[in-house]
Amino acid sequence: DAGITQSPRHKVTETGTPVTLRCHQTENHRYMYWYRQDPGHGLRLIHYSYGVKDTDKGEVSDGYSVSRSKTEDFLLTLESATSSQTSVYFCAISGDISYEQYFGPGTRLTVT
Amino acid sequence: GESVGLHLPTLSVQEGDNSIINCAYSNSASDYFIWYKQESGKGPQFIIDIRSNMDKRQGQRVTVLLNKTVKHLSLQIAATQPGDSAVYFCAEIPDNYGQNFVFGPGTRLSVLP
Repeated sequence: DAGITQSPRHKVTETGTPVTLRCHQTENHRYMYWYRQDPGHGLRLIHYSYGVKDTDKGEVSDGYSVSRSKTEDFLLTLESATSSQTSVYFCAISGDISYEQYFGPGTRLTVT
Repeated sequence: GESVGLHLPTLSVQEGDNSIINCAYSNSASDYFIWYKQESGKGPQFIIDIRSNMDKRQGQRVTVLLNKTVKHLSLQIAATQPGDSAVYFCAEIPDNYGQNFVFGPGTRLSVLP
């Protein structure tokens, strides 16, 4: 998976609790992305980062925040999890030379 | 907003036959297109890409065709194998999205023995 890890890989949490997902890369790529994937939908962009401390919103950013304090780590936080945020979350990275995005293995999050 | 879609949500083919997966896109200014394969329980995996200044690009057993006149993209898989069973996504980078892809909903390819 191109040197991308996600943690945790599975998580069950209760409505209203905060949750943080971590994406770690060893490729020194500039761009990092968080997507969610739901049945009947393709991948939808939540937030992305174009450098340390540089982030921007994607298509479905409501209820999510991100932080990138180091090149290798991109954190996704659900401030107060809701059942609608039950999903599979994917992290991706890309460099400056190619548009190609490399995806991590995913995190399955269930909010009860 | 911009949209990328697929004509067929599911596709079943016999092992050894050729597969064709189609995709329509809406932004005529999109510059770059990519196909991903996603196996169950895994993240999407790059298959092949094509820029808007090309009509065709070939890889190992795969070919991507781009028809800008009708805004249509297709992925052809030659001699389909059981290992090709997966969900296939097309994606585009619309002109105003920088590095950000817009993904289609996906087509599930099932290879029959």
